[in-house]
Amino acid sequence: GAVVSQHPSWVICKSGTSVKIECRSLDFQATTMFWYRQFPKQSLMLMATSNEGSKATYEQGVEKDKFLINHASLTLSTLTVTSAHPEDSSFYICSAPPGQGGFTEAFFGQGTRLTVV
Amino acid sequence: KNQVEQSPQSLIILEGKNCTLQCNYTVSPFSNLRWYKQDTGRGPVSLTIMTFSENTKSNGRYTATLDADTKQSSLHITASQLSDSASYICVVSRFYGGSQGNLIFGKGTKLSVKP
Repeated sequence: GAVVSQHPSWVICKSGTSVKIECRSLDFQATTMFWYRQFPKQSLMLMATSNEGSKATYEQGVEKDKFLINHASLTLSTLTVTSAHPEDSSFYICSAPPGQGGFTEAFFGQGTRLTVV
Repeated sequence: KNQVEQSPQSLIILEGKNCTLQCNYTVSPFSNLRWYKQDTGRGPVSLTIMTFSENTKSNGRYTATLDADTKQSSLHITASQLSDSASYICVVSRFYGGSQGNLIFGKGTKLSVKP
C-alpha cells in the first residue's frame, strides 16, 4: 500500500515554544491530507483538512492560529503547534488518501508523540 | 448522532486462542466500514474495508463481518499471536470516498495476547 511518513516520531518541548510536525506521502501525490489528535484511550479526532495550494479547513473547536497547517507541495503537509502548552501534549497523526474520488483508502503516518513540559 | 461503539473496551487472551471484537454503529448514510490495527505509539494500519453489500472479508487470520441491517460488525482473530496485541479500531465512513472528515472512529478495543 501507499506510504505516509511522519516526522518526528516524538518530541519534547518547553511550554511557550513552537513545534513543527511533517507529514509526507512517499510514493504518491496527495492534494489533501488530514491531521488527527489522539488522547490516551480515546478515538482519533480530526483536527483539520490540509489542502495543497489553499487554506486548511479546521474542525469546530480547533484553533487555527494555534495549529498552523501548511500544505506546500503535493507530498508534504506540516502542522505547527504554536506557543505550546502542556494541554497540547498528545499523539498527532496525519493521513492521506492516494486517490481523489472513488473508493479511497486511508493511509496513516506513524504518529508524533508531543510532550510539552 | 453518528457514533461508533466498540466492545469490549479491553480483552486479554492466551496465545493461540481466537477472539471476536464487536462494533455497533449509528452512522448515516453509510458508505463503508473499516477495521484498523493500531500498535501502541503508532499510526493505524488498515485490516479490512467493507461496503454495505459485503458481509464478510478476510485478511489472513483476521475476518471481518458486516450486517448492514442491524448495523453491526465484528472482527474475528484466529489463532492469536503475541504480535496481535494492539488496539483495534472500527471506523465507519459516511460517504463513498470523499473527505475523511466523514470518517467516524470508534474508541477501539485494546487486545492483549499473553503467552
